[in-house]
Amino acid sequence: GQNIDQPTEMTATEGAIVQINCTYQTSGFNGLFWYQQHAGEAPTFLSYNVLDGLEEKGRFSSFLSRSKGYSYLLLKELQMKDSASYLCAVRDNYGQNFVFGPGTRLSVLP
Amino acid sequence: ETGVTQTPRHLVMGMTNKKSLKCEQHLGHNAMYWYKQSAKKPLELMFVYSLEERVENNSVPSRFSPECPNSSHLFLHLHTLQPEDSALYLCASSPDRGQGAVGEKLFFGSGTQLSVL
Repeated sequence: GQNIDQPTEMTATEGAIVQINCTYQTSGFNGLFWYQQHAGEAPTFLSYNVLDGLEEKGRFSSFLSRSKGYSYLLLKELQMKDSASYLCAVRDNYGQNFVFGPGTRLSVLP
Repeated sequence: ETGVTQTPRHLVMGMTNKKSLKCEQHLGHNAMYWYKQSAKKPLELMFVYSLEERVENNSVPSRFSPECPNSSHLFLHLHTLQPEDSALYLCASSPDRGQGAVGEKLFFGSGTQLSVL
């Protein structure tokens, strides 16, 4: 079956670092994606991993371990505008199938 | 602006009504998707079209009927819905350059917030 797990909610302080974990069990694997979704808005693409290791994009980094079925999204120098839901998604081998986790709702406090 | 436009943004309908959701993408993508997003649940894939041909249909009730007249437009026709169908309906598109393509990501519209009374 297809299963992706993430913590439901997290809270962090402005200026801090937060790590959002994602574990997955899918029938195939063709990349792991992280999306950010503000309330009432479209999910927007943050990062992508297909090989093991760390991908860095400014304040955001994402890590993948395929053998462990594990990824994390690291957000540095948190800002209030980073308060949002963060969605972990895996694209399986069958073309267009993207499987999503439940999302992690991050609250950044002053 | 992601290049994917959905209308309407909000919709309230009774259980006996018939309505349609519309999605349009201006990205030249080949695949279009309908996802359902309910509170505290993962995004659920409903339908996928690739080059106007339906390639995924995840056991969605027949009261939801998709239509893809061309690769830029996607509709979701709704009839005799139930209150539990109330959710955010998201449309997305992707390049879909073939199964060997890597890094292809979804581009989402802002969604239609549907309330069924």
